Amino acid sequence: GAGVSQSPRYKVTKRGQDVALRCDPISGHVSLYWYRQALGQGPEFLTYFNYEAQQDKSGLPNDRFSAERPEGSISTLTIQRTEQRDSAMYRCASSSDPESGELFFGEGSRLTVL
Amino acid sequence: QKEVEQNSGPLSVPEGAIASLNCTYSDRGSQSFFWYRQYSGKSPELIMFIYSNGDKEDGRFTAQLNKASQYVSLLIRDSQPSDSATYLCAVIESGAGSYQLTFGKGTKLSVIP
Repeated sequence: GAGVSQSPRYKVTKRGQDVALRCDPISGHVSLYWYRQALGQGPEFLTYFNYEAQQDKSGLPNDRFSAERPEGSISTLTIQRTEQRDSAMYRCASSSDPESGELFFGEGSRLTVL
Repeated sequence: QKEVEQNSGPLSVPEGAIASLNCTYSDRGSQSFFWYRQYSGKSPELIMFIYSNGDKEDGRFTAQLNKASQYVSLLIRDSQPSDSATYLCAVIESGAGSYQLTFGKGTKLSVIP
């Protein structure tokens, strides 16, 4: 498809396990963003990339969270040693121009940590 | 800490009325302002952006910006039931080397037929 694709759509894991969430942006989009959204809240910024360079990771909550975009296309958000408080919807978005503020969001990955 | 504040609502208006959604932001360096709409269970989508003080109109939607008061608003004229959604205000502070888009918590709008 032509939109932002995220996988898995749903992930249930046990506390302490590592999880990897994948994002395939719109072809040709320079910028890729990761957000986390709790129910009833707005998206919370985690990190963003221009091409393969991580431009801003100030929103990553702690060192259990990391992200990469090695070839400037697909990105992976990894959460190590998951905790129950990590349960949320993780949303990826891409943009052709970071200054534009026009982000195209994927459907999200719903993470539940038991 | 950049903050974007919105009244979480819910805001209920009758069909055909004007819905007024408000947002304030803390960072005076903010340059660009956006309104996203998010239907229940769906992803946010951009509906309006504004960069300069004053009003910007697009169909039934008008965005208003007052940088001195650090205030952004969205007016929806002739509200329709299909406008029922959560409206997210978002802000970019440029010039810091990062184009991080910071969202508010959103205002839930219900348009009553």
